[in-house]
Amino acid sequence: NAGVTQTPKFRILKIGQSMTLQCTQDMNHNYMYWYRQDPGMGLKLIYYSVGAGITDKGEVPNGYNVSRSTTEDFPLRLELAAPSQTSVYFCASSHPPGQGLPEAFFGQGTRLTVV
Amino acid sequence: KQEVTQIPAALSVPEGENLVLNCSFTDSAIYNLQWFRQDPGKGLTSLLLIQSSQREQTSGRLNASLDKSSGRSTLYIAASQPGDSATYLCAVRRADSNYQLIWGAGTKLIIKP
Repeated sequence: NAGVTQTPKFRILKIGQSMTLQCTQDMNHNYMYWYRQDPGMGLKLIYYSVGAGITDKGEVPNGYNVSRSTTEDFPLRLELAAPSQTSVYFCASSHPPGQGLPEAFFGQGTRLTVV
Repeated sequence: KQEVTQIPAALSVPEGENLVLNCSFTDSAIYNLQWFRQDPGKGLTSLLLIQSSQREQTSGRLNASLDKSSGRSTLYIAASQPGDSATYLCAVRRADSNYQLIWGAGTKLIIKP
């Protein structure tokens, strides 16, 4: 059981470049999330999705975009990368509250550096 | 606005000691609270989840308690081992918007052999 899989694990981008962080889960979870974690800080929600075709902004959405065409996949797109986007990015998934086990499951993270 | 605080930010104890990690939150209207473990360069592993109607959960040497009225949760680790060294994060799921977890910054725990 793979759980939540993120790729790539590491990436260095130049300022102004774009990239897509991939996330896929095999637990048939409706809810998926993207977080960023800056050093010494808690996780901040970037975007989330409650099902295929539905996405919404979290706390820190500026500079990012997402799509959710299938239940399994939730890619995060960075356009025009900036040094402020240097961070560790985590994808997570869960069942909605009241449906199945409510724990959130996380991918191993993508360490992104923008130079 | 819900805020989650974890104190201390770092803790170093000798192997074998029992220890307590603290998590406090400002809004008692929570759906659940979850404790996670984060190892360097790795993802987050869920340790324990406490629903808002529960007072505690146990898994092996770990025990998590929840006092909603005072906005506090503790993670008790018994007979600590060097393998327990990691960063421990708590997160609360808000009761009014069921998608969002609000996170503490974590406690970095070092268990000295």
